[in-house]
Amino acid sequence: QVQLVQSGTEVKNPGASVKVSCEASGYSFTNYALHWVRQAPGQSLEWMGWITAGNGNTKSSQKFQGRITITSDTSANTAYMELSSLKSEDTAVYYCARVAITIFGEVIHRYFDYWGQGTLVSVSS
Amino acid sequence: DIQMTQSPSSLSASVGDRVTITCRASQSISIYLNWYQQKPGKAPKLLMFAASSLQSGVPSRFIGSGSGTDFTLTISSLQPEDFATYYCQQSNTAPITFGQGTRLEIK
Repeated sequence: QVQLVQSGTEVKNPGASVKVSCEASGYSFTNYALHWVRQAPGQSLEWMGWITAGNGNTKSSQKFQGRITITSDTSANTAYMELSSLKSEDTAVYYCARVAITIFGEVIHRYFDYWGQGTLVSVSS
Repeated sequence: DIQMTQSPSSLSASVGDRVTITCRASQSISIYLNWYQQKPGKAPKLLMFAASSLQSGVPSRFIGSGSGTDFTLTISSLQPEDFATYYCQQSNTAPITFGQGTRLEIK
């Protein structure tokens, strides 16, 4: 069965960096894109970026450009999200999510069909 | 960015009730609209994609409809396990955006 298993809770000081991992199993890692989504306490979901695991292509939200690095290691079936220059507002649960595709005629629909369990990143001095 | 606005923000209902949640996009997104359910401390779970296609394993009491800018998620007969927060998400245009959520509570 498909599983995305993320690394554990992180506590960081402002200005530091954090790197969260997402290990995939149960499917062909290189055939799917993985996205990163975060959720601040009591808030909605915020998309951060994605990586196409097969070729390493990435795209991130303009909000995080310059601070986010998304990578993958195909030998380990693992994706990583590193966020630098952390601020208190970055305190959130960070999720990885796999994108599935369904094609209706010529139209491609993308949606998050599997999610990791989430990684709490707490930023505080 | 496309703004997604859900209403209501919270809703109280009883087991067996029929409830409807609305999601409105700030511009047309065709049917590039997905719905998720999230329970406290858990990751979101996909319910519906392409506005009205039920994800495998999701009960048929969940019904999605809409196109363009206006969408609805209806639960035809609420079950105890349905009390959760629901999010819509557009996949029409980057960046991907989510609604603010609708919290469904037990009356």
